[in-house]
Amino acid sequence: DVVMTQSPLSLPVTLGQPASISCRSSQSLVHSDGNTYLNWFHQRPGQSPRRLIYKVSNRDSGVPDRFSGSGSGTDFTLKISRVEAEDVGVYYCMQYTGWPHTFGQGTKLEI
Amino acid sequence: EVQLVESGGGVVQPGGSLRLSCAASGFTFNSFYMNWVRQAPGKGLEWVANINQDGSQKHYVDSVKGRFSISRDNAKSSLSLQMNSLRAEDTAVYYCVRSSDSWGQGVLVIVSS
Repeated sequence: DVVMTQSPLSLPVTLGQPASISCRSSQSLVHSDGNTYLNWFHQRPGQSPRRLIYKVSNRDSGVPDRFSGSGSGTDFTLKISRVEAEDVGVYYCMQYTGWPHTFGQGTKLEI
Repeated sequence: EVQLVESGGGVVQPGGSLRLSCAASGFTFNSFYMNWVRQAPGKGLEWVANINQDGSQKHYVDSVKGRFSISRDNAKSSLSLQMNSLRAEDTAVYYCVRSSDSWGQGVLVIVSS
């Protein structure tokens, strides 16, 4: 199985400041079709997860442009340019290049 | 608007069975693969099972293989998860997920004597 490792697991941030979360996979996420299937999700307390980013760097509809995804191969990053209060919660990366699909442990962002 | 509504959760004894359902609306159900993802209390997300658009291909996480079965009824826009031989470690909120972009509100399954 592909192991997804996020860091840090806890991320204290200051409003208006940038934040960055790393996600590393135990093997390359490049699919045989050439795509890299790496998502980022955000889960607020008591809510279902919401997808923010798909295929490494594509923002979902309605996701603020302060969120950006980057990376390749086995090394990926989610960046928030300026943290807002609504960004608190847990962030997860997930690979769906191979079976089983696997999630990172989650990174808790708190103000 | 995409809607995914899970049902069928509850409390079951170890070794028991439960069937989860997910009613989908607001999109062309048979155009999307579907997933079940679970989250144990206070823990992270775990992908459980996947089914392709016509139901001909299914994938499972190792921990549920042989015990859980995912299925779909495209005529009724519904997704199911039959869970047998349930264990305490299956206790979780189970989410119905369209591809990876839309999630239901989740349904709680508690396996306890």
